[in-house]
Amino acid sequence: DVKVTQSSRYLVKRTGEKVFLECVQDMDHENMFWYRQDPGLGLRLIYFSYDVKMKEKGDIPEGYSVSREKKERFSLILESASTNQTSMYLCASSSPELAGSNTGELFFGEGSRLTVL
Amino acid sequence: GNSVTQMEGPVTLSEEAFLTINCTYTATGYPSLFWYVQYPGEGLQLLLKATKADDKGSNKGFEATYRKETTSFHLEKGSVQVSDSAVYFCALIWGTYKYIFGTGTRLKVLA
Repeated sequence: DVKVTQSSRYLVKRTGEKVFLECVQDMDHENMFWYRQDPGLGLRLIYFSYDVKMKEKGDIPEGYSVSREKKERFSLILESASTNQTSMYLCASSSPELAGSNTGELFFGEGSRLTVL
Repeated sequence: GNSVTQMEGPVTLSEEAFLTINCTYTATGYPSLFWYVQYPGEGLQLLLKATKADDKGSNKGFEATYRKETTSFHLEKGSVQVSDSAVYFCALIWGTYKYIFGTGTRLKVLA
């Protein structure tokens, strides 16, 4: 069964702490994503990676960074956590389709609920 | 720019009722359209998709038809069950990775 695994389901951190959220996929997908999910706002893209060591900013990258050293692993880093980063974080992966055939399904992990006090 | 608008929730229905969740989109070109479902405590999973105009996606009794003339992709099910209680997200993809999600509609089905 294909799987995207997020390392922590629930985290509680203090303001100013450095936070690492880890994500691993076993589908050999090139593309990996970090989204943030907040009530009434849907899913917002934080960062995207299309290959090892490659990354692109999404819609809300401020306060976040990412690392992709291996194809299967994509990490989200909060350098100095703040209370407004309390949220549900979702990792996803996909395989890029051939040019002109943009039908790629996203596969999601179960989410990491982060609370910053 | 590209966007997805779906009806506000929550939607509360009795078991075996008919379900419609409205979704409209704004996009350049011809995006693929998706419905994702998020069950309590889980991540999102693909429910169905349609890749071109007039395509009908279907899965688990749910259906949605890609209507280019009305830029809509409404989700329907003839008879909902308690197990369908979840949050439903309409989404589109343009380019090779740019996904746009709606804000989600929570469905609660009562026995």
